[in-house]
Amino acid sequence: EAGVAQSPRYKIIEKRQSVAFWCNPISGHATLYWYQQILGQGPKLLIQFQNNGVVDDSQLPKDRFSAERLKGVDSTLKIQPAKLEDSAVYLCASSLRWGWRNEQFFGPGTRLTVL
Amino acid sequence: AQTVTQSQPEMSVQEAETVTLSCTYDTSESDYYLFWYKQPPSRQMILVIRQEAYKQQNATENRFSVNFQKAAKSFSLKISDSQLGDAAMYFCAYRSNTGNQFYFGTGTSLTVIP
Repeated sequence: EAGVAQSPRYKIIEKRQSVAFWCNPISGHATLYWYQQILGQGPKLLIQFQNNGVVDDSQLPKDRFSAERLKGVDSTLKIQPAKLEDSAVYLCASSLRWGWRNEQFFGPGTRLTVL
Repeated sequence: AQTVTQSQPEMSVQEAETVTLSCTYDTSESDYYLFWYKQPPSRQMILVIRQEAYKQQNATENRFSVNFQKAAKSFSLKISDSQLGDAAMYFCAYRSNTGNQFYFGTGTSLTVIP
């Protein structure tokens, strides 16, 4: 079974530029999560999708971050414009269904550096 | 908001020995779920073990077990017969009953000494 795929693996941009990350969850997984992991901290959940609908985006900085999962499969997370404090690893995870029992499977992450 | 605290930034253990990683959390909820995740260097994060707060029995998965103390809001992970492959960053996580939010601790880096 293929795991969660993310691209790019690394990205370096200047502040005020825009950037987008892509995630392809495990086939058949209805729930998709985006996390931000700043160096030295644990992951912070930004947004959850159930199919193509948003379950929770209370931790997403909506003035600059946006995410979509239009067809209920792959997803993109965008930052526009980027700030220095956005430097982090962005993790995508998926689970079969929504709910605590459904184990989350994580992708390798995208490491973003904002200069 | 709930908080999860891991007070041990780094731990080390001799191969084949036992080590315990600590985690405390703060919540006003009575029903919730707790997890330990493992993040090896440059590899994906994986679930190690999970515990439902309403269950008094501590969860066990092979060499991994937890000591869940609900009143003390403590959730420690014990790794028995440590192996070189156990070396990783370990994160404690909390999920509310509504399931809408996950909260992770800052992690404990475990080194296994041959």
